[in-house]
Amino acid sequence: AQSVTQLGSHVSVSEGALVLLRCNYSSSVPPYLFWYVQYPNQGLQLLLKYTTGATLVKGINGFEAEFKKSETSFHLTKPSAHMSDAAEYFCAVSPLTGGGNKLTFGTGTQLKVEL
Amino acid sequence: DTGVSQDPRHKITKRGQNVTFRCDPISEHNRLYWYRQTLGQGPEFLTYFQNEAQLEKSRLLSDRFSAERPKGSFSTLEIQRTEQGDSAMYLCASSPRDRGNTIYFGEGSWLTVV
Repeated sequence: AQSVTQLGSHVSVSEGALVLLRCNYSSSVPPYLFWYVQYPNQGLQLLLKYTTGATLVKGINGFEAEFKKSETSFHLTKPSAHMSDAAEYFCAVSPLTGGGNKLTFGTGTQLKVEL
Repeated sequence: DTGVSQDPRHKITKRGQNVTFRCDPISEHNRLYWYRQTLGQGPEFLTYFQNEAQLEKSRLLSDRFSAERPKGSFSTLEIQRTEQGDSAMYLCASSPRDRGNTIYFGEGSWLTVV
């Protein structure tokens, strides 16, 4: 079975500082990897995903993530935080075969951006 | 291009009552998913359909829960004899069939059982 671990349920950064949200997965075969963002009382919006090819993936709003197979990680970064980035971020995986693209989510990281 | 639509967005019900949520997926998507999300947690998979066929159900989906997608378009999720533990946001999502394709989420339906 696949699982996702997000280290740090709450992360606080200053506006303009680097954002680093950590995600590690557990799977016998490297899965497809996703980051979603959720603003209060809203659904989830895809930030970026890794399926195949280049391991550094660029997404919306200046975010990017790097798939590191040796570390079973898919950490999310943004060079300079903006107040509008304050939200909850979820890392998710789906299997390469079977399971119908079903996503397994981590428990989320709440990002706070301070002036 | 309309997104995934869910109705109602909020529902308050008394314990023991039945509730039904509706989801309209993105029109060309043949897969439809239901997830449940409680405060401070990530979404948890409940069930998914490919066209009208329900292909997988989570152990979270007790006998009181039933989901349908009768014509392979919209879907309903019904909860019978609601309990306070059912209070959560119920998220619907859809995707094309191809592997690795993005799953698009709706805004969710909040359920509060009092």
